[in-house]
Amino acid sequence: NAGVTQTPKFQVLKTGQSMTLQCAQDMNHEYMSWYRQDPGMGLRLIHYSVGAGITDQGEVPNGYNVSRSTTEDFPLRLLSAAPSQTSVYFCASSYSASNQPQHFGDGTRLSIL
Amino acid sequence: GENVEQHPSTLSVQEGDSAVIKCTYSDSASNYFPWYKQELGKRPQLIIDIRSNVGEKKDQRIAVTLNKTAKHFSLHITETQPEDSAVYFCARAPKGGSEKLVFGKGTKLTVNP
Repeated sequence: NAGVTQTPKFQVLKTGQSMTLQCAQDMNHEYMSWYRQDPGMGLRLIHYSVGAGITDQGEVPNGYNVSRSTTEDFPLRLLSAAPSQTSVYFCASSYSASNQPQHFGDGTRLSIL
Repeated sequence: GENVEQHPSTLSVQEGDSAVIKCTYSDSASNYFPWYKQELGKRPQLIIDIRSNVGEKKDQRIAVTLNKTAKHFSLHITETQPEDSAVYFCARAPKGGSEKLVFGKGTKLTVNP
């Protein structure tokens, strides 16, 4: 199994551009989540999904959209990139049984100029 | 979600010494508490977790203790080694919500040879 795969690994955008960060898992996990990591801030939840067709907002959802059309994929869309969205983005997944550990992808390092 | 307070933010120990990191929370509904280790430029990796019906859990040199009454949990690393150097994050999940982890801000542990 590849686990959680994120693409791209690095990306530089200009302010106002849009893009999609891809996340795929091959572990048949129902739960998937997106976090952003900023220096000194830990990881903060952006959006999460408990299954195909179901998404919900986390702590910092503004400026981001998600969809979950399949169990395997959970893309994160930046609608109009802003410098404040410069961050490292991590996707994670877990089984739906209560309190199962989340497994993280390698992250996408995103810079907005 | 309500924050998790993590202390200290930095910790430096000599090889062979013990290291302790403490986290406190206020949401009494939390019942799952994982700890992640993140090396520079890498993904967070789960090292140990504890559920609310258990007071202590050990895995070789690593242990976690949970005091639900006082709402704090701690990571204990014994016989530290240079390869233990990393940033450690605690997290909590609301009941049945491991897809919605709330993280502490991290502790940078340095183990000096």
